[in-house]
Amino acid sequence: NAGVTQTPKFQVLKTGQSMTLQCAQDMNHNSMYWYRQDPGMGLRLIYYSASEGTTDKGEVPNGYNVSRLNKREFSLRLESAAPSQTSVYFCASRSGGQETQYFGPGTRLLVL
Amino acid sequence: ELKVEQNPLFLSMQEGKNYTIYCNYSTTSDRLYWYRQDPGKSLESLFVLLSNGAVKQEGRLMASLDTKARLSTLHITAAVHDLSATYFCAVVNAGKSTFGDGTTLTVKP
Repeated sequence: NAGVTQTPKFQVLKTGQSMTLQCAQDMNHNSMYWYRQDPGMGLRLIYYSASEGTTDKGEVPNGYNVSRLNKREFSLRLESAAPSQTSVYFCASRSGGQETQYFGPGTRLLVL
Repeated sequence: ELKVEQNPLFLSMQEGKNYTIYCNYSTTSDRLYWYRQDPGKSLESLFVLLSNGAVKQEGRLMASLDTKARLSTLHITAAVHDLSATYFCAVVNAGKSTFGDGTTLTVKP
């Protein structure tokens, strides 16, 4: 099992450009999450999907959109990137209930 | 809004010493998780605490949960250099996890 995979690993954007971060899991998990981590801080929830076909806003959703393409894949889109979106983005999944989350390797995004 | 506070945020220890990291949270929850993050890496699950009084141990790390006090502790026994990392607690409420800001632990010889 690959677990949770993310692409790309690193990306540089100019202000106003758009991009999509991809996330896939092969553990048959129901729930998937997108977080951002800024230097010296914990993770903040952007969006999550409790099950296939549903998505909900987290703590910091402004400037982002998500798509739960199927049970395996959950993408995060930045429509018009801003320097404030420079961060490391982590995708995570959980089978449900009380299970722990499993995290992907992260995408480092720099917006100039 | 759920608030999660960890302290200390930075901890420098000598090898062989003991210390405790604290995680306080502001609203009722019956699930708390501890994660470890090495520099430039992703998060790795350490402990899942699901009920009041829960205690889990793995090697030199022991985690506990007091839901009445809204407090979890991560105790380090006889620290070794390999434990140097950032440790996060995360509290679940209404299906969403809220993370503390992390405790960066440095273990020196």
